[in-house]
Amino acid sequence: KAGVTQTPRYLIKTRGQQVTLSCSPISGHRSVSWYQQTPGQGLQFLFEYFSETQRNKGNFPGRFSGRQFSNSRSEMNVSTLELGDSALYLCASSPLIGPTGNTIYFGEGSWLTVV
Amino acid sequence: AQSVAQPEDQVNVAEGNPLTVKCTYSVSGNPYLFWYVQYPNRGLQFLLKYITGDNLVKGSYGFEAEFNKSQTSFHLKKPSALVSDSALYFCAVRAYNNNDMRFGAGTRLTVKP
Repeated sequence: KAGVTQTPRYLIKTRGQQVTLSCSPISGHRSVSWYQQTPGQGLQFLFEYFSETQRNKGNFPGRFSGRQFSNSRSEMNVSTLELGDSALYLCASSPLIGPTGNTIYFGEGSWLTVV
Repeated sequence: AQSVAQPEDQVNVAEGNPLTVKCTYSVSGNPYLFWYVQYPNRGLQFLLKYITGDNLVKGSYGFEAEFNKSQTSFHLKKPSALVSDSALYFCAVRAYNNNDMRFGAGTRLTVKP
């Protein structure tokens, strides 16, 4: 079974631009969550989607947004990029049902550098 | 809201010695507790979890963790450390009725030959 797939793996953007990151969950997983990882702040929860609906949201400004499609694939968007947005963005998926329903599985992440 | 504390930023052990990476948690109700490992430039890999039942949980790569409800702790252990265990370890908690998983700050484990 393929794992969580994130694209692109690496990207460089300029301040003020916007970026879209994509995530394909493990087949059959309906919940997708996003995290930001930086050396200073550690792992911070961005948001979680289930059945195309945002169910939880972390403490991030409105420049950070996401969505989930009917096939459970998800995208996150960051508008008006700032230098501080440079981070590893991790997507994770979970089936939410069955014996492994409460475990989330991570992708390899998308490294975003803002210059 | 639930939270996790990993009191040690760094843990150093010699190869072959036992290792412990500490984690304490705070959550309303019964906790779901997890350990993940992150190797350089990689995502997080699931190691093990506690949901209910036996307080000693066994996971991947010879790791185990002990759930202690009275001390609200979930320490990760391994009887004999390997150099290849060197990585960043994260403890995480989610409430039984909440899908929001909260992670600790991480502990960098270094195993020296």
